[in-house]
Amino acid sequence: EAAVTQSPRNKVAVTGGKVTLSCNQTNNHNNMYWYRQDTGHGLRLIHYSYGAGSTEKGDIPDGYKASRPSQENFSLILELATPSQTSVYFCASGAREGTEVFFGKGTRLTVV
Amino acid sequence: GDSVTQTEGQVALSEEDFLTIHCNYSASGYPTLFWYVQYPGEGPQLLFRASRDKEKGSSRGFEATYDKGTTSFHLRKASVQESDSAVYYCALSDQETGNTGKLIFGLGTTLQVQP
Repeated sequence: EAAVTQSPRNKVAVTGGKVTLSCNQTNNHNNMYWYRQDTGHGLRLIHYSYGAGSTEKGDIPDGYKASRPSQENFSLILELATPSQTSVYFCASGAREGTEVFFGKGTRLTVV
Repeated sequence: GDSVTQTEGQVALSEEDFLTIHCNYSASGYPTLFWYVQYPGEGPQLLFRASRDKEKGSSRGFEATYDKGTTSFHLRKASVQESDSAVYYCALSDQETGNTGKLIFGLGTTLQVQP
């Protein structure tokens, strides 16, 4: 079973502050992804990566940065958090030629 | 751009009822289609996928058939159980790169099954 671990699981941040969400996978997958989940929008892709040192913009990248320092780790960074970024964030990983991705349990972020 | 439409936002059934959740997509070519299921407190997990016209995907009693003519991939199950209560997402993947993790999701359908 693929393992994707997100930390923290819950986070309260202040408007204008910097937030870093972390994701670790132990499956040696090349590809990793960050999604956010909102009522009325489903899940939407923010950033993704094809391997260490690589980051690509997804469908809604504005206000977010990503970092992939190693095969195992992929971070999502909110330099200046806003209340509109209150959401549940999911990290996922998948093999380069894989047929599915594996999601973590999510991070609930509240920006006040 | 590509999109996925799930008609039902919420579905309430009793055990042993028949389930249908409608999914229609808009995309050029042949996107790969997926059904993901999400249980409370968990991330989505793949139920099954289909890649070509008339291909049937199935798992755990759920099934859906890729229909390019009607651009549909409706989820069905003959007899639901209380343990099937979850949120179900229809999705399609990026055709340009073939990256099965670059997904476009529908809004999701919450299934509640009463005993």
